[in-house]
Amino acid sequence: EAGVAQSPRYKIIEKRQSVAFWCNPISGHATLYWYQQILGQGPKLLIQFQNNGVVDDSQLPKDRFSAERLKGVDSTLKIQPAKLEDSAVYLCASRNGGAQYFGPGTRLTVL
Amino acid sequence: GIQVEQSPPDLILQEGANSTLRCNFSDSVNNLQWFHQNPWGQLINLFYIPSGTKQNGRLSATTVATERYSLLYISSSQTTDSGVYFCAVGSDKLIFGTGTRLQVFP
Repeated sequence: EAGVAQSPRYKIIEKRQSVAFWCNPISGHATLYWYQQILGQGPKLLIQFQNNGVVDDSQLPKDRFSAERLKGVDSTLKIQPAKLEDSAVYLCASRNGGAQYFGPGTRLTVL
Repeated sequence: GIQVEQSPPDLILQEGANSTLRCNFSDSVNNLQWFHQNPWGQLINLFYIPSGTKQNGRLSATTVATERYSLLYISSSQTTDSGVYFCAVGSDKLIFGTGTRLQVFP
């Protein structure tokens, strides 16, 4: 069974630029999550989808972050415009029942 | 919100030693997972263990939900065990602890 796929693996941009990350969950997993992990900390939830609907986006900075999961499968997370403090690893996870499974993450550096 | 505390924050071991990592959480949960984050940043599932005891090779975990803690045991540690170990709890979304950084030296 293929795991959660994410791309790109690394991205370097300048502040005020925009960036997008892509995630393909494990086949059949209805629930998809995006987490942000800042260096030295544990991951923190940004947004949770159930199929193509948003369940929880209370921690998503909506003035600059957006996410969609239009067909209930893969998802994109966008930042526009990026700030220096957005430098972090962005992790996608999926779940169907109990455990969450994480992708390899996208390491974003904002200069 | 739920608070998750892990101890110790750092652990240095020689290869072959055993260790116990602890996770305390502040409220009832129906999901508890242990992860190993390797030096490349990948979060690897170790255990899904909202209650009870599980074992997988040299690793085992026990969760006592009524007392709101979980323990991860690593026996005969190897250098490849190095990395950060996270406990994460929740009902749906996961709340992560601050992690235990483990370094195993030959």
